[in-house]
Amino acid sequence: TQLLEQSPQFLSIQEGENLTVYCNSSSVFSSLQWYRQEPGEGPVLLVTVVTGGEVKKLKRLTFQFGDARKDSSLHITAAQPGDTGLYLCAGGRGNYGQNFVFGPGTRLSVLP
Amino acid sequence: GAVVSQHPSWVICKSGTSVKIECRSLDFQATTMFWYRQFPKQSLMLMATSNEGSKATYEQGVEKDKFLINHASLTLSTLTVTSAHPEDSSFYICSASQANTGELFFGEGSRLTVL
Repeated sequence: TQLLEQSPQFLSIQEGENLTVYCNSSSVFSSLQWYRQEPGEGPVLLVTVVTGGEVKKLKRLTFQFGDARKDSSLHITAAQPGDTGLYLCAGGRGNYGQNFVFGPGTRLSVLP
Repeated sequence: GAVVSQHPSWVICKSGTSVKIECRSLDFQATTMFWYRQFPKQSLMLMATSNEGSKATYEQGVEKDKFLINHASLTLSTLTVTSAHPEDSSFYICSASQANTGELFFGEGSRLTVL
């Protein structure tokens, strides 16, 4: 069984602060996705990383895939209240249409 | 990005009745769709993998006779919760895999409350 761990589980910060969320596994994944989910809604895809060492930036969000494709990080610069939500990482277990393994999530609260 | 739609968004039913939830990929064909269950403040738990034209593959511990899945076309999968009980109350989410990229796109979720 491939398991994904996320840390921290909960994070409450002030607006303007920076933060990093980690996603770790002992298994290698073909790809890794990050999602943000707000209460009562489905997860929304933020990014997909597929190459070891890959770094992608999405405005104030920076995503990195570990060299060995076992871990990933999400860094948010100058967090805003709109960043509040549940951040989920998901590791792909195969190519094309294979199901993903989800981490337990990091619940972020950004206070104004 | 690709769009996946679920219906209904929320449903309240009496214990013992059956409830059907639809998941549609609106702008792409999805040979594979996935159904998840999510409890409050927890992550997604994969229930089953739905393949168009074939039987769904259920995760360990998920009762296939309780949660009936049908994937009759490349754009539609349905989950039927049969003889629902209060413990079946949950947030059910589907996702569809885009064939050429393998990326997952999620529906908005369906909140089921069984009285």
